[in-house]
Amino acid sequence: SQQGEEDPQALSIQEGENATMNCSYKTSINNLQWYRQNSGRGLVHLILIRSNEREKHSGRLRVTLDTSKKSSSLLITASRAADTASYFCATDERDSGGSNYKLTFGKGTLLTVNP
Amino acid sequence: KAGVTQTPRYLIKTRGQQVTLSCSPISGHRSVSWYQQTPGQGLQFLFEYFSETQRNKGNFPGRFSGRQFSNSRSEMNVSTLELGDSALYLCASSSTGGRRNEQYFGPGTRLTVT
Repeated sequence: SQQGEEDPQALSIQEGENATMNCSYKTSINNLQWYRQNSGRGLVHLILIRSNEREKHSGRLRVTLDTSKKSSSLLITASRAADTASYFCATDERDSGGSNYKLTFGKGTLLTVNP
Repeated sequence: KAGVTQTPRYLIKTRGQQVTLSCSPISGHRSVSWYQQTPGQGLQFLFEYFSETQRNKGNFPGRFSGRQFSNSRSEMNVSTLELGDSALYLCASSSTGGRRNEQYFGPGTRLTVT
């Protein structure tokens, strides 16, 4: 099942603009992570926000988490052409036995930053 | 530290064959997870190994298997390949796995089944 669902599926902006991507999830979580993937390559961890945190910053990245709405947003400020990539949110999902966790990814938002 | 490495990077196989993919985690990391990525299904969790034991498993058929060695290196094997197994296979390592640790991904192995 898809735990995280990103919105929009695709986003195209001009360099210098801000980009906002949203993620919704279904079950309770312990943390939520955002990853970036350049075309056909491995994922790069961007930021992790814990369930008791509401906002977190890292450089030009700002992540918010609203556990009451089961949603998170990733804001990239002053975007650059190099930010062109797919962005995924990932949530920890407990297995049926309840003792182990796995990361469940959404299908991602494809961000294109035009120079 | 060196990053996560995966070999081979590209592979072409014929339906019915089997394939073995390899992953070397970051030094000191004991957890290795495998994911399959396809355009239709996105990123799907295959399994996680920790200290040579499979700790978690996704919803894939038994044709997909894996193992982890004492040096934390991991292999995954797909037997009786089907066209639908064509995908990017990613492995990721983390220090302990579990619910709080970020994962470090390798560049992936692109498998094409013809």
